[in-house]
Amino acid sequence: GAVVSQHPSRVICKSGTSVKIECRSLDFQATTMFWYRQFPKQSLMLMATSNEGSKATYEQGVEKDKFLINHASLTLSTLTVTSAHPEDSSFYICSASDRGPADTQYFGPGTRLTVL
Amino acid sequence: AQSVTQLDSHVSVSEGTPVLLRCNYSSSYSPSLFWYVQHPNKGLQLLLKYTSAATLVKGINGFEAEFKKSETSFHLTKPSAHMSDAAEYFCVETGGSQGNLIFGKGTKLSVKP
Repeated sequence: GAVVSQHPSRVICKSGTSVKIECRSLDFQATTMFWYRQFPKQSLMLMATSNEGSKATYEQGVEKDKFLINHASLTLSTLTVTSAHPEDSSFYICSASDRGPADTQYFGPGTRLTVL
Repeated sequence: AQSVTQLDSHVSVSEGTPVLLRCNYSSSYSPSLFWYVQHPNKGLQLLLKYTSAATLVKGINGFEAEFKKSETSFHLTKPSAHMSDAAEYFCVETGGSQGNLIFGKGTKLSVKP
């Protein structure tokens, strides 16, 4: 089956630093990847849609200059949280679609970000 | 706007008894619907999906869901709960121009011994 990995699984950083999270589709090519954020005991919130070779589409209220998304290849998308602050602490999950935007999405295991 | 409603935020059952997790969608057209499970501090795992084929969809771990257009429902069921089923369950619909997912708020399933 389709496998999506995320790295790192857990990261702790100081306030003001930047953190990069990688999302990889291991056995399929993902033309579209999605980045979600999950606050404790809440559902997932879509942050942005990442299409290979083009700029990401951000959801309303998500700061594109703070959450930089790059989708340089069909198997890799990265999310960089710039100048992280404690309120950015969250669980970040990516997903990848294997045959186009409306097909089944496979989720990565998530990255727990803690900003001190 | 499209929305997914999970009617119960928390369901508690005893081991060996049936599970029913309720979900209503809002799309007026035939949607693609999914159930995902999330164990604590883990990512999401696809349980099953409906894409306008058979209305009764069988998934992994003994779960199934029935698509009822007249009720705009897609309830998740399992005949006999196991302790390992304790987790958060999300009912999800595809939406938006790029097919992004619309999540319900989740239902936490507790299984008592």
